[in-house]
Amino acid sequence: NAGVTQTPKFRVLKTGQSMTLLCAQDMNHEYMYWYRQDPGMGLRLIHYSVGEGTTAKGEVPDGYNVSRLKKQNFLLGLESAAPSQTSVYFCASSYTGTSTDTQYFGPGTRLTVL
Amino acid sequence: GDSVTQMEGPVTLSEEAFLTINCTYTATGYPSLFWYVQYPGEGLQLLLKATKADDKGSNKGFEATYRKETTSFHLEKGSVQVSDSAVYFCALSLPSGGYNKLIFGAGTRLAVHP
Repeated sequence: NAGVTQTPKFRVLKTGQSMTLLCAQDMNHEYMYWYRQDPGMGLRLIHYSVGEGTTAKGEVPDGYNVSRLKKQNFLLGLESAAPSQTSVYFCASSYTGTSTDTQYFGPGTRLTVL
Repeated sequence: GDSVTQMEGPVTLSEEAFLTINCTYTATGYPSLFWYVQYPGEGLQLLLKATKADDKGSNKGFEATYRKETTSFHLEKGSVQVSDSAVYFCALSLPSGGYNKLIFGAGTRLAVHP
């Protein structure tokens, strides 16, 4: 049982390049989330999904797109990377959407945009 | 709006010292409260949680009590170890449009020296 995994672990992009971050979970969770972590700001929600085939915007969605074609996978795309998107990206999943449920986090992807 | 405020770090302690990390929250509803821990180079792990007033969450010697009257969820440990060195995040969770909205504090870095 691997939990939540993310690929890649590190990536360096030039401004304007595109990339996709992959998140996978093997816990049969319905809900999946993408966050970004910036110094002194905690984690902020980018996009989330409440089930296969669904996506929705979070707190800071601009410049990102997501897809949930399979229940176990949640992809985060950057179409035209900007230096402001330099951050650490975390994926998380939860079984339900209730406030008492726990979100389980992946190990993160450190992205640098030059 | 909903928010979490936790004490700024870094907190530097000697091994076996008593630890308190303060956390207060503002919420429009009735949140669940969480402490997550992030060890160097890793993702966030759930440390403990409490889902209703006066509940005490505990794990690995850490404790926190959900105090509704003071809107607080302070983290404590009686005797810290070097291995406790990490960043600690307080978070609240509220139901929001069908998903689990998790709001994080900025994080408090703890450094424990032998």
